[in-house]
Amino acid sequence: GNSVTQMEGPVTLSEEAFLTINCTYTATGYPSLFWYVQYPGEGLQLLLKATKADDKGSNKGFEATYRKETTSFHLEKGSVQVSDSAVYFCALSAGTASKLTFGTGTRLQVTL
Amino acid sequence: NAGVTQTPKFQVLKTGQSMTLQCAQDMNHNSMYWYRQDPGMGLRLIYYSASEGTTDKGEVPNGYNVSRLNKREFSLRLESAAPSQTSVYFCASSEFRYEQYFGPGTRLTVT
Repeated sequence: GNSVTQMEGPVTLSEEAFLTINCTYTATGYPSLFWYVQYPGEGLQLLLKATKADDKGSNKGFEATYRKETTSFHLEKGSVQVSDSAVYFCALSAGTASKLTFGTGTRLQVTL
Repeated sequence: NAGVTQTPKFQVLKTGQSMTLQCAQDMNHNSMYWYRQDPGMGLRLIYYSASEGTTDKGEVPNGYNVSRLNKREFSLRLESAAPSQTSVYFCASSEFRYEQYFGPGTRLTVT
């Protein structure tokens, strides 16, 4: 079946540090890949997506590249801000009905 | 444009009580979903509805039922609540093969 593995958190960084959150996946066929973000007390919001190999999704300074050869979709940001503190979920969608399979989430805490 | 709305926001139940979580979307999406979120488990799919008139089980359907009332509304029912159903419940909607949009969640505690 489909599965997503992402790095354990929490990740604690100082403001302006470089961020990487690793995500690897197992899927049949050609999945679409997503990063969602959840701010405290809120629902999930789509951060970025990529629908085919070598696509790069980007939004709000975050980037992730769909790597089929390594089955990875790592999230990066060059300079994090305190306002980026949240839980980040990697997810994939494959097959019918656009069902999402989520990773367990990585909590990011950014301090001044 | 409200997107996906859920009611109630918070609920406390005693073991054995029943309740229905309501979800509505105003984006004219065909597909709707119910997830539960538990610490360290990510989000797990309970039920989904690929289109109006259809529903299917997800990863963790036991103890739940759903109704796709019309294209806008998708409700989740707990017939006899158990402490193991203490969780945060999210509803989502999407158009086929596009990203899902999530509601703000319902925090349910079963004592």
